[in-house]
Amino acid sequence: GAVVSQHPSRVICKSGTSVKIECRSLDFQATTMFWYRQFPKQSLMLMATSNEGSKATYEQGVEKDKFLINHASLTLSTLTVTSAHPEDSSFYICSAQGGGLNSPLHFGNGTRLTVT
Amino acid sequence: AQRVTQPEKLLSVFKGAPVELKCNYSYSGSPELFWYVQYSRQRLQLLLRHISRESIKGFTADLNKGETSFHLKKPFAQEEDSAMYYCALSGGATNKLIFGTGTLLAVQP
Repeated sequence: GAVVSQHPSRVICKSGTSVKIECRSLDFQATTMFWYRQFPKQSLMLMATSNEGSKATYEQGVEKDKFLINHASLTLSTLTVTSAHPEDSSFYICSAQGGGLNSPLHFGNGTRLTVT
Repeated sequence: AQRVTQPEKLLSVFKGAPVELKCNYSYSGSPELFWYVQYSRQRLQLLLRHISRESIKGFTADLNKGETSFHLKKPFAQEEDSAMYYCALSGGATNKLIFGTGTLLAVQP
């Protein structure tokens, strides 16, 4: 079945540094990728939607200059948390979709970001 | 506003007992509803979607528009059903998913 690889699974960084998270579709072309964030004991919150070759669409309240999303190819999307702060510590999950609107979404394993 | 509510954080049942994981939603149009499952140490994966009207691993879910509910049911729980279950909603021209907070199902032997 379709696999989405997310890397790294865990990262610890210092305040003020930037962290890049990769999301790859391994055996299919992902025309659309979604990035989610999950705080402890809370729901998955959609941060942004990215379509290959175009700018990401951010949800209300998500700072696009802080959470840079790049979807340069049909198999790779990256989320860069810039100038990270402790409040950015969270669990980030990507999902990828190939094909049309009715095609299934496949999720990565998530990345646990801890900012010290 | 679009919202998905899962009122139970934890549901503990014994093996062989019936299971019902509750999900209510708020949406102004015609949404598509999903149930996703995350087993221990595994990624989130689709369990079922309402438009398919199928039964997966013995689970079914019926969309009740009058009650705006999409409860997940299984007549006889198995230990391997223990997992985190998320109800999700999608609507409009995109496939953006809005998730509930999830319910942890624990099936006791």
